[in-house]
Amino acid sequence: GAGVSQTPSNKVTEKGKYVELRCDPISGHTALYWYRQSLGQGPEFLIYFQGTGAADDSGLPNDRFFAVRPEGSVSTLKIQRTERGDSAVYLCASRTGGSSGANVLTFGAGSRLTVL
Amino acid sequence: SQQGEEDPQALSIQEGENATMNCSYKTSINNLQWYRQNSGRGLVHLILIRSNEREKHSGRLRVTLDTSKKSSSLLITASRAADTASYFCATDSGGYQKVTFGIGTKLQVIP
Repeated sequence: GAGVSQTPSNKVTEKGKYVELRCDPISGHTALYWYRQSLGQGPEFLIYFQGTGAADDSGLPNDRFFAVRPEGSVSTLKIQRTERGDSAVYLCASRTGGSSGANVLTFGAGSRLTVL
Repeated sequence: SQQGEEDPQALSIQEGENATMNCSYKTSINNLQWYRQNSGRGLVHLILIRSNEREKHSGRLRVTLDTSKKSSSLLITASRAADTASYFCATDSGGYQKVTFGIGTKLQVIP
């Protein structure tokens, strides 16, 4: 597609439920990033994919969070047993591959998650 | 974790004035970028400066980088009401492609 698409744009769920957030990157972008942003804060790195594999998942806060990218395109961020503290905007970004060092990211509009 | 820290955290100026935002970071970097965010949703890339560059311009934007002080500044000249947004610096370092953001400066331009 023309841009990075994230669905849903808004998700309200109850504490303890399971949530999936989807990211459809720009066609041909091999690198994909997930960030979490709380109100008044900067984006917090969660995980980065190069192709199908997670190259760096050091930002995932705990084992309730998991992300996949099975075909190297669409990615899904999965959150189990949601907690109120998981409420945030989840941002996805993609960029072209390679190691040129020019890691310019194109962001989606984000998925706002509210855990009641 | 946040790599960068922007200063000030909030800035309010009159339309037509210049706005300067600063960013400090902790570890050596490959590149430093500035992004803008409107209404708490997606970020938009503004400008990238490499670690071997000291200054870069793009339209009304001017970025400087001082690697000895681990700091960067973003200058927006002749500000407009439409420049009202949050501005973030972002860095990547080492052999990794991880991009880390600062906490941001919230800019308000008053018409």
